[in-house]
Amino acid sequence: GNSVTQMEGPVTLSEEAFLTINCTYTATGYPSLFWYVQYPGEGLQLLLKATKADDKGSNKGFEATYRKETTSFHLEKGSVQVSDSAVYFCALISNAGGTSYGKLTFGQGTILTVHP
Amino acid sequence: GAGVSQTPSNKVTEKGKYVELRCDPISGHTALYWYRQSLGQGPEFLIYFQGTGAADDSGLPNDRFFAVRPEGSVSTLKIQRTERGDSAVYLCASSVGQGPSTDTQYFGPGTRLTVL
Repeated sequence: GNSVTQMEGPVTLSEEAFLTINCTYTATGYPSLFWYVQYPGEGLQLLLKATKADDKGSNKGFEATYRKETTSFHLEKGSVQVSDSAVYFCALISNAGGTSYGKLTFGQGTILTVHP
Repeated sequence: GAGVSQTPSNKVTEKGKYVELRCDPISGHTALYWYRQSLGQGPEFLIYFQGTGAADDSGLPNDRFFAVRPEGSVSTLKIQRTERGDSAVYLCASSVGQGPSTDTQYFGPGTRLTVL
């Protein structure tokens, strides 16, 4: 079946530090890959996505590149801010069997805390 | 415009009781999803509606769980004979549903269910 594995957290950084959150996946077919973010007291929201190999998704200074050869989709940001403190989820949608809807499979989430 | 709303935000019940959780999707969204998020885990898929019909209910854990969407808008997740293991945050998401499976899903704030 499909699965997503994220690096263990929590991650604690100082403001302006470089961020990497690792994500690897197992899926049949050619999945689409996502990063969702959950800010304190808010609902899950899409941060970025990539729908085919070598695509790079980007948003709000965050980037992730779809690496089919390593089945990875690591999240990076060059300089984090206190406002980036949140829980980050890597996720996929598999197109196996011609699936035409968005059944998301999530990783377990990584808590990021950024200190001033 | 209004986002996805869920009521109640919190529900505390006793083991063996029946509960209903409501989701109001974004107006015009034909696709609706329910997920369950246990503490420290990522959300897990429960059921997907396209319009009024449940197109995929493979994630419902057992026959105590049931969901409806009679008019293709509001959905209700129903849990009979609740058990302590049902305690979790129940998330609802909606998307346009007319495009590819990677249409952005918009999540509600969730209902936190606690079974005593």
